[in-house]
Amino acid sequence: DVKVTQSSRYLVKRTGEKVFLECVQDMDHENMFWYRQDPGLGLRLIYFSYDVKMKEKGDIPEGYSVSREKKERFSLILESASTNQTSMYLCASAGANEQFFGPGTRLTVL
Amino acid sequence: QKEVEQNSGPLSVPEGAIASLNCTYSDRGSQSFFWYRQYSGKSPELIMFIYSNGDKEDGRFTAQLNKASQYVSLLIRDSQPSDSATYLCAVTGGSYIPTFGRGTSLIVHP
Repeated sequence: DVKVTQSSRYLVKRTGEKVFLECVQDMDHENMFWYRQDPGLGLRLIYFSYDVKMKEKGDIPEGYSVSREKKERFSLILESASTNQTSMYLCASAGANEQFFGPGTRLTVL
Repeated sequence: QKEVEQNSGPLSVPEGAIASLNCTYSDRGSQSFFWYRQYSGKSPELIMFIYSNGDKEDGRFTAQLNKASQYVSLLIRDSQPSDSATYLCAVTGGSYIPTFGRGTSLIVHP
């Protein structure tokens, strides 16, 4: 019954490393999203994609990039990880009147 | 800037009582309204959506929408300790991109 999966639940990286977070959905949704969630700040949209190879910046895209080569897969890339990118990262996939979240990746950058 | 406002709480109710969670939004063009439940350390889970004025019931949950006053609420009847979580309100307009509130923490005490 799993709908959205993320590559890792917990990840620890060092400052300056390149980090890949992957998300896969099995609902044939066109729309996919990457959020980060921090205490007191709520969910903040990093990037979204409405079709293969299409992407749009969200509210906080700085320091991140994304890739969507296949409809079911949406990847978030931290080009050079920094300590202020320590957070919970949530992927979501959306259709009409529904949005499903993956389990999240808790990333710690040391 | 579209805004969705929620009281952060915590809202504390006794077991068996009705919990009432409220959300206001700024964009009059908003079309669809969603309630998510998020347990601590977990990702958000969609519990209800509504797009017409009035009430929508699903089990112990009732969503209420008043577009003229720009608010949407969630009532939880017969509250249980297992309902203790953070409840997120989300709103979409002409685009499919939801705007999230920061959530209300609900505590149901025995």
